[in-house]
Amino acid sequence: GAVVSQHPSRVICKSGTSVKIECRSLDFQATTMFWYRQFPKQSLMLMATSNEGSKATYEQGVEKDKFLINHASLTLSTLTVTSAHPEDSSFYICSVIGPAVGAFFGQGTRLTVV
Amino acid sequence: GEDVEQSLFLSVREGDSSVINCTYTDSSSTYLYWYKQEPGAGLQLLTYIFSNMDMKQDQRLTVLLNKKDKHLSLRIADTQTGDSAIYFCAENYGGATNKLIFGTGTLLAVQP
Repeated sequence: GAVVSQHPSRVICKSGTSVKIECRSLDFQATTMFWYRQFPKQSLMLMATSNEGSKATYEQGVEKDKFLINHASLTLSTLTVTSAHPEDSSFYICSVIGPAVGAFFGQGTRLTVV
Repeated sequence: GEDVEQSLFLSVREGDSSVINCTYTDSSSTYLYWYKQEPGAGLQLLTYIFSNMDMKQDQRLTVLLNKKDKHLSLRIADTQTGDSAIYFCAENYGGATNKLIFGTGTLLAVQP
């Protein structure tokens, strides 16, 4: 499978500020990465598909100006939560489709907006 | 739309077998997956099954697929306390795409 690293694992920020989350594919060049959001005791909701060198594809209901995705290289995708509000507090996870079957996930980022 | 459902909670005793069930809707899924999530962590791919298979066994894990009923199950033999976690089934939807739709998750609690 692919080894995926997310950073930071936990972040607390003030309302109105922006937060950047990084997702790195450490051993595989990923043209496509996915960003998910998970609410407490709930399943994962796909937010967007991050495509290297082109614009991300957002799922219905996800604000692209709120959640900025940049996939500038084959090993790095970033998700920036802009003008964060308490309702943006959540667990954000990225995944990579590796060379083998299945998606491989980062460790996740716990975002708390105060 | 696509919908993947699981029962919310399962409690078993250590040493017993656990069976976690999942129903899905997209008959064009190529693969179906089982993932494990421990508290505060990402998802770990446990196993998967190709859609033209009925069963796959991998050590303590057995996956059964009933394509007619769109039913998937994961059996864990000799369940251990370290197996306590949330288990998600997932399907790739849209046929050739790599997007995964996840089930609602089943919390497995293993009692010593």
